[in-house]
Amino acid sequence: DTAVSQTPKYLVTQMGNDKSIKCEQNLGHDTMYWYKQDSKKFLKIMFSYNNKELIINETVPNRFSPKSPDKAHLNLHINSLELGDSAVYFCASSRAGAHEQYFGPGTRLTVT
Amino acid sequence: KQEVTQIPAALSVPEGENLVLNCSFTDSAIYNLQWFRQDPGKGLTSLLLIQSSQREQTSGRLNASLDKSSGRSTLYIAASQPGDSATYLCAFFNQAGTALIFGKGTTLSVSS
Repeated sequence: DTAVSQTPKYLVTQMGNDKSIKCEQNLGHDTMYWYKQDSKKFLKIMFSYNNKELIINETVPNRFSPKSPDKAHLNLHINSLELGDSAVYFCASSRAGAHEQYFGPGTRLTVT
Repeated sequence: KQEVTQIPAALSVPEGENLVLNCSFTDSAIYNLQWFRQDPGKGLTSLLLIQSSQREQTSGRLNASLDKSSGRSTLYIAASQPGDSATYLCAFFNQAGTALIFGKGTTLSVSS
Protein backbone atom coordinates (compact mmCIF):
# COMPACT_ATOMS: atom_id res chain seq x y z
CA ASP A 1 0.00 0.00 0.00
CA THR A 2 1.32 3.41 -0.93
CA ALA A 3 1.93 5.48 2.18
CA VAL A 4 2.07 8.94 0.60
CA SER A 5 0.64 9.35 -2.88
CA GLN A 6 0.52 12.31 -5.23
CA THR A 7 -1.39 13.02 -8.41
CA PRO A 8 -0.58 13.76 -11.09
CA LYS A 9 2.95 12.44 -11.51
CA TYR A 10 3.58 14.78 -14.42
CA LEU A 11 1.93 18.11 -15.13
CA VAL A 12 2.63 20.22 -18.19
CA THR A 13 0.84 23.54 -18.48
CA GLN A 14 1.17 27.03 -19.88
CA MET A 15 2.11 30.22 -18.15
CA GLY A 16 -0.77 31.98 -16.49
CA ASN A 17 -2.81 28.85 -15.83
CA ASP A 18 -4.02 27.69 -12.43
CA LYS A 19 -3.30 24.10 -11.38
CA SER A 20 -3.58 21.80 -8.39
CA ILE A 21 -1.55 18.86 -7.13
CA LYS A 22 -3.17 16.38 -4.80
CA CYS A 23 -1.55 14.54 -1.90
CA GLU A 24 -2.92 11.80 0.28
CA GLN A 25 -1.36 9.84 3.13
CA ASN A 26 -2.68 6.68 4.75
CA LEU A 27 -0.23 6.61 7.66
CA GLY A 28 -2.51 8.29 10.15
CA HIS A 29 -0.12 11.23 10.46
CA ASP A 30 -1.35 14.61 11.60
CA THR A 31 1.21 16.80 9.86
CA MET A 32 1.78 17.19 6.14
CA TYR A 33 4.29 19.15 4.11
CA TRP A 34 5.07 20.42 0.65
CA TYR A 35 8.66 20.64 -0.56
CA LYS A 36 10.02 21.97 -3.85
CA GLN A 37 13.02 20.45 -5.61
CA ASP A 38 14.53 22.85 -8.10
CA SER A 39 16.47 22.16 -11.28
CA LYS A 40 19.65 21.77 -9.25
CA LYS A 41 17.96 19.06 -7.16
CA PHE A 42 17.89 21.23 -4.05
CA LEU A 43 14.94 20.50 -1.75
CA LYS A 44 13.31 23.29 0.18
CA ILE A 45 10.29 23.42 2.47
CA MET A 46 7.27 25.34 1.22
CA PHE A 47 4.61 24.61 3.82
CA SER A 48 3.95 22.50 6.86
CA TYR A 49 0.42 22.00 8.08
CA ASN A 50 -1.42 20.23 10.83
CA ASN A 51 -4.91 20.67 12.12
CA LYS A 52 -3.72 23.54 14.27
CA GLU A 53 -1.59 25.71 12.10
CA LEU A 54 -0.16 26.41 8.70
CA ILE A 55 3.47 27.41 8.59
CA ILE A 56 4.54 29.10 5.41
CA ASN A 57 8.10 29.52 4.23
CA GLU A 58 8.44 33.26 3.79
CA THR A 59 10.03 32.83 0.37
CA VAL A 60 6.97 31.12 -1.12
CA PRO A 61 4.90 33.43 -3.36
CA ASN A 62 1.28 33.85 -2.32
CA ARG A 63 0.27 32.34 -5.66
CA PHE A 64 0.86 29.02 -3.88
CA SER A 65 -1.73 27.92 -1.36
CA PRO A 66 -2.18 24.60 0.47
CA LYS A 67 -5.68 23.32 1.10
CA SER A 68 -6.49 20.49 3.50
CA PRO A 69 -9.98 19.00 3.27
CA ASP A 70 -9.09 16.53 6.03
CA LYS A 71 -6.11 15.15 7.94
CA ALA A 72 -5.21 12.68 5.21
CA HIS A 73 -5.04 15.20 2.37
CA LEU A 74 -3.03 18.32 1.62
CA ASN A 75 -3.47 19.71 -1.86
CA LEU A 76 -1.32 22.40 -3.43
CA HIS A 77 -3.00 25.08 -5.54
CA ILE A 78 -0.92 27.30 -7.77
CA ASN A 79 -2.34 30.38 -9.45
CA SER A 80 -0.94 32.28 -12.43
CA LEU A 81 1.83 29.80 -13.11
CA GLU A 82 5.23 31.16 -14.11
CA LEU A 83 8.19 29.56 -15.89
CA GLY A 84 10.15 29.59 -12.63
CA ASP A 85 7.56 27.35 -11.00
CA SER A 86 8.85 24.42 -13.05
CA ALA A 87 10.20 21.94 -10.52
CA VAL A 88 9.41 18.69 -8.78
CA TYR A 89 7.00 19.09 -5.88
CA PHE A 90 7.05 16.57 -3.06
CA CYS A 91 4.44 15.96 -0.44
CA ALA A 92 5.44 14.43 2.89
CA SER A 93 3.82 13.50 6.18
CA SER A 94 4.82 12.74 9.75
CA ARG A 95 3.56 12.74 13.28
CA ALA A 96 3.59 16.22 14.77
CA GLY A 97 7.04 17.45 15.76
CA ALA A 98 10.48 16.39 14.61
CA HIS A 99 9.49 12.86 13.70
CA GLU A 100 10.44 10.79 10.69
CA GLN A 101 8.99 12.20 7.49
CA TYR A 102 7.70 10.04 4.66
CA PHE A 103 7.72 11.40 1.14
CA GLY A 104 5.50 10.91 -1.86
CA PRO A 105 6.84 10.09 -5.33
CA GLY A 106 6.81 13.69 -6.48
CA THR A 107 5.00 15.67 -9.17
CA ARG A 108 7.09 17.07 -12.01
CA LEU A 109 5.58 20.40 -13.04
CA THR A 110 6.66 21.92 -16.32
CA VAL A 111 5.45 25.40 -17.21
CA THR A 112 5.82 26.38 -20.87
CA LYS B 1 20.14 30.05 10.29
CA GLN B 2 20.82 26.37 9.82
CA GLU B 3 22.82 25.42 6.75
CA VAL B 4 23.65 21.89 5.70
CA THR B 5 26.65 20.90 3.60
CA GLN B 6 27.30 17.50 2.10
CA ILE B 7 30.73 16.42 0.92
CA PRO B 8 31.60 15.04 -1.54
CA ALA B 9 29.01 16.06 -4.11
CA ALA B 10 29.70 12.88 -6.07
CA LEU B 11 31.48 9.63 -5.32
CA SER B 12 32.32 6.59 -7.45
CA VAL B 13 33.49 3.35 -5.88
CA PRO B 14 33.87 -0.28 -6.93
CA GLU B 15 31.49 -2.83 -5.51
CA GLY B 16 32.40 -4.15 -2.09
CA GLU B 17 34.01 -0.99 -0.74
CA ASN B 18 33.03 0.52 2.58
CA LEU B 19 32.36 4.23 2.29
CA VAL B 20 31.45 7.28 4.33
CA LEU B 21 29.25 10.17 3.31
CA ASN B 22 29.63 13.40 5.23
CA CYS B 23 27.12 16.00 6.31
CA SER B 24 27.94 19.12 8.30
CA PHE B 25 25.68 21.74 9.84
CA THR B 26 26.21 25.22 11.19
CA ASP B 27 23.86 25.34 14.17
CA SER B 28 24.67 22.84 16.93
CA ALA B 29 21.26 23.40 18.50
CA ILE B 30 19.71 20.87 16.19
CA TYR B 31 16.80 18.56 16.61
CA ASN B 32 16.63 15.20 14.93
CA LEU B 33 18.21 14.43 11.59
CA GLN B 34 17.18 12.13 8.82
CA TRP B 35 19.11 10.45 6.02
CA PHE B 36 17.36 9.69 2.72
CA ARG B 37 18.19 8.15 -0.60
CA GLN B 38 16.73 9.38 -3.86
CA ASP B 39 16.83 7.31 -7.02
CA PRO B 40 16.70 9.17 -10.35
CA GLY B 41 13.20 10.41 -11.09
CA LYS B 42 11.86 9.00 -7.85
CA GLY B 43 10.82 10.20 -4.43
CA LEU B 44 12.81 10.14 -1.23
CA THR B 45 13.19 6.96 0.77
CA SER B 46 13.88 7.40 4.46
CA LEU B 47 16.95 5.46 5.58
CA LEU B 48 17.57 6.45 9.17
CA LEU B 49 16.35 8.94 11.73
CA ILE B 50 18.73 9.96 14.52
CA GLN B 51 17.25 11.77 17.46
CA SER B 52 19.31 14.65 18.82
CA SER B 53 19.97 12.73 22.03
CA GLN B 54 21.39 9.75 20.12
CA ARG B 55 24.87 9.31 18.71
CA GLU B 56 24.14 6.71 16.06
CA GLN B 57 21.59 4.51 14.38
CA THR B 58 22.04 1.33 12.39
CA SER B 59 19.95 -0.35 9.75
CA GLY B 60 21.42 -3.33 7.93
CA ARG B 61 24.59 -2.21 6.13
CA LEU B 62 23.95 1.43 7.02
CA ASN B 63 25.19 3.25 10.09
CA ALA B 64 24.56 6.92 10.71
CA SER B 65 26.29 8.90 13.42
CA LEU B 66 25.69 12.32 14.89
CA ASP B 67 28.30 14.50 16.59
CA LYS B 68 26.67 17.75 17.63
CA SER B 69 29.88 19.18 19.12
CA SER B 70 31.66 19.05 15.77
CA GLY B 71 28.56 19.80 13.73
CA ARG B 72 28.75 16.60 11.71
CA SER B 73 26.82 13.54 10.75
CA THR B 74 28.18 10.64 8.73
CA LEU B 75 26.49 7.83 6.85
CA TYR B 76 28.60 4.69 6.67
CA ILE B 77 27.72 2.13 4.00
CA ALA B 78 29.35 -1.26 4.39
CA ALA B 79 30.13 -3.59 1.50
CA SER B 80 28.63 -1.33 -1.14
CA GLN B 81 26.56 -2.83 -3.97
CA PRO B 82 25.49 -1.48 -7.37
CA GLY B 83 21.96 -1.19 -5.97
CA ASP B 84 23.25 1.42 -3.53
CA SER B 85 23.78 3.83 -6.43
CA ALA B 86 21.60 6.85 -5.71
CA THR B 87 21.72 10.35 -4.29
CA TYR B 88 21.97 10.44 -0.51
CA LEU B 89 20.50 13.41 1.31
CA CYS B 90 20.86 14.45 4.92
CA ALA B 91 18.35 16.76 6.51
CA PHE B 92 17.99 18.42 9.88
CA PHE B 93 14.82 19.56 11.51
CA ASN B 94 14.53 23.30 12.00
CA GLN B 95 14.39 24.68 15.53
CA ALA B 96 10.62 24.56 15.63
CA GLY B 97 10.67 20.93 14.51
CA THR B 98 8.28 21.82 11.71
CA ALA B 99 10.38 21.22 8.62
CA LEU B 100 13.50 19.53 7.29
CA ILE B 101 16.49 21.54 6.06
CA PHE B 102 18.25 19.59 3.36
CA GLY B 103 21.79 19.37 2.10
CA LYS B 104 22.38 19.21 -1.65
CA GLY B 105 23.18 15.52 -1.53
CA THR B 106 25.97 13.15 -2.48
CA THR B 107 25.49 11.18 -5.67
CA LEU B 108 26.94 7.71 -5.23
CA SER B 109 27.81 5.38 -8.07
CA VAL B 110 28.85 1.82 -7.25
CA SER B 111 30.30 -0.13 -10.16
CA SER B 112 30.21 -3.91 -10.46
